[in-house]
Amino acid sequence: SAVISQKPSRDICQRGTSLTIQCQVDSQVTMMFWYRQQPGQSLTLIATANQGSEATYESGFVIDKFPISRPNLTFSTLTVSNMSPEDSSIYLCSVEGQGKAYEQYFGPGTRLTVT
Amino acid sequence: KQEVTQIPAALSVPEGENLVLNCSFTDSAIYNLQWFRQDPGKGLTSLLLIQSSQREQTSGRLNASLDKSSGRSTLYIAASQPGDSATYLCAVNAGKSTFGDGTTLTVKP
Repeated sequence: SAVISQKPSRDICQRGTSLTIQCQVDSQVTMMFWYRQQPGQSLTLIATANQGSEATYESGFVIDKFPISRPNLTFSTLTVSNMSPEDSSIYLCSVEGQGKAYEQYFGPGTRLTVT
Repeated sequence: KQEVTQIPAALSVPEGENLVLNCSFTDSAIYNLQWFRQDPGKGLTSLLLIQSSQREQTSGRLNASLDKSSGRSTLYIAASQPGDSATYLCAVNAGKSTFGDGTTLTVKP
């Protein structure tokens, strides 16, 4: 299994500002994923981050709004830019484990509220 | 485009009951299906992973089955306890994961 930590665990931000969320894994992993979970809804994949290449974004998500960094095999950041109240969500980092093929593990999430 | 549906959306049962949660998906070309548990305001905890070549997986009081050809999976919880109260999500992985909307389970003492 993989142990994942995220910072911050929660934040309250003003509209128009940006927040960077950090994700740290206790082992080297090839692929890291960022998800958004809006209130009362399920998870939606924002992007896949591979080390050494640009992130791959899902339909409806763009790099200018959600820039991602992946400087090494254990760390990634997601920035939520120019925030609006619609960005209020839980943001979750996920990795695929090195044991069972394609088993996913999730971090505890970052609860973002935009006022 | 893969679509994942979970039924029922919510379920309330008395303690000790056995129960079944359902998950259906539209595209059977998958690597695996994974069941998660999410407590309010928390991240996801992996419960069971079924590879596409497998029919079922068991862990303690939990048993998950997979019928890939019909696009269905079930999560069976035996002898439910109040601590089982949570939202249960299924995710289908075909290179990237698609999640259902979840079933919110309440087990009453």
